[in-house]
Amino acid sequence: AQKVTQAQTEISVVEKEDVTLDCVYETRDTTYYLFWYKQPPSGELVFLIRRNSFDEQNEISGRYSWNFQKSTSSFNFTITASQVVDSAVYFCALSEAEDYKLSFGAGTTVTVRA
Amino acid sequence: EPEVTQTPSHQVTQMGQEVILRCVPISNHLYFYWYRQILGQKVEFLVSFYNNEISEKSEIFDDQFSVERPDGSNFTLKIRSTKLEDSAMYFCASSGWTGNTIYFGEGSWLTVV
Repeated sequence: AQKVTQAQTEISVVEKEDVTLDCVYETRDTTYYLFWYKQPPSGELVFLIRRNSFDEQNEISGRYSWNFQKSTSSFNFTITASQVVDSAVYFCALSEAEDYKLSFGAGTTVTVRA
Repeated sequence: EPEVTQTPSHQVTQMGQEVILRCVPISNHLYFYWYRQILGQKVEFLVSFYNNEISEKSEIFDDQFSVERPDGSNFTLKIRSTKLEDSAMYFCASSGWTGNTIYFGEGSWLTVV
């Protein structure tokens, strides 16, 4: 069963627009961890943010913000005032308690045009 | 900032040959992982390693694959007899404890011809 679903395959925006990436997850655990990773064209996986299931407080970090809602099993990620360098594939991932592995979504390709 | 390093960055090998991908995890981390990403697809878990043994492996990680921590710093993935479908980016990763942030290396791109 798919544990992490990223329904958006591709998003294209013009520079300075905001971009929101959707992520829906599925787990039976009460303790779990959610992540967003960025994969630029160079191919590496860059950690962006991590959230624990017991902390639903939403935060802003620079141009990044996230909206974690347990009631809808969603962990959405927003890039404010997008820049060309934000062009990448963004992956949402889930790690369940007592589990060692990340389950990744299929990724959303973000293209920011100048 | 500490990082996970991987070598080689790119390797081309003949089908049937053995390949060893090397990784140096972040020094104070305890959990080590290998993930795979076939071109254009999502990142898939292969194996996790803790306390000098495999803690979990996926169905992809069959008898062709093995992992080893030969010394205090390196963590290797060996593919015994490569197949065309093994062509992928292989990511090494490490974390301090389960649930903690998993940091990835830059990947080793394997092309099997």
